[in-house]
Amino acid sequence: DTAVSQTPKYLVTQMGNDKSIKCEQNLGHDTMYWYKQDSKKFLKIMFSYNNKELIINETVPNRFSPKSPDKAHLNLHINSLELGDSAVYFCASSSVTSGGWADTQYFGPGTRLTVL
Amino acid sequence: AQSVTQLGSHVSVSEGALVLLRCNYSSSVPPYLFWYVQYPNQGLQLLLKYTSAATLVKGINGFEAEFKKSETSFHLTKPSAHMSDAAEYFCAVSGGSNYKLTFGKGTLLTVNP
Repeated sequence: DTAVSQTPKYLVTQMGNDKSIKCEQNLGHDTMYWYKQDSKKFLKIMFSYNNKELIINETVPNRFSPKSPDKAHLNLHINSLELGDSAVYFCASSSVTSGGWADTQYFGPGTRLTVL
Repeated sequence: AQSVTQLGSHVSVSEGALVLLRCNYSSSVPPYLFWYVQYPNQGLQLLLKYTSAATLVKGINGFEAEFKKSETSFHLTKPSAHMSDAAEYFCAVSGGSNYKLTFGKGTLLTVNP
């Protein structure tokens, strides 16, 4: 009965490869997010989807492409991986008020990506 | 636009001592405010949130926070630290129609025996 799940938990790969991370939530939320957490624990929002529509697209290299097949899923595909992509990636979901205010975000357990 | 400043990237206390983690926010509209905790190798977990009801908010694990509009602060406290409280703590603000939370840089709490 995990609320927000991510797969895989660990991902070790070579520079230049392409990889995907999957996220699923069973909370019935309309909005999902991807965050990157670096080694200093700083959380940087990357993308957000609301009802399958991209609503936040921060300054992220276009090698990163999110995809939301439905409201319960948000995947992240990364092309041509670089050393600097090594980090922990978190998926989250939340409800949003009618005015667009984000309420409590529920986080997945994270995917630790290591690029060699 | 909103922002969050967490004062002190690292706070160290003795077991049984008061825990005080500081958070100041900036928001052009009345905000929602949150404290999250992250234990090692885990995701973030909600400790408590403020959404314009009572200014003193109680959360899980004995933590509470007080919203002070005049000081634009939302400091997190716990009367007596326990070893299991050692973790990274994040303050976050939601405000305005931008669908997102803005997080502070986090404060690492260590608890000494």
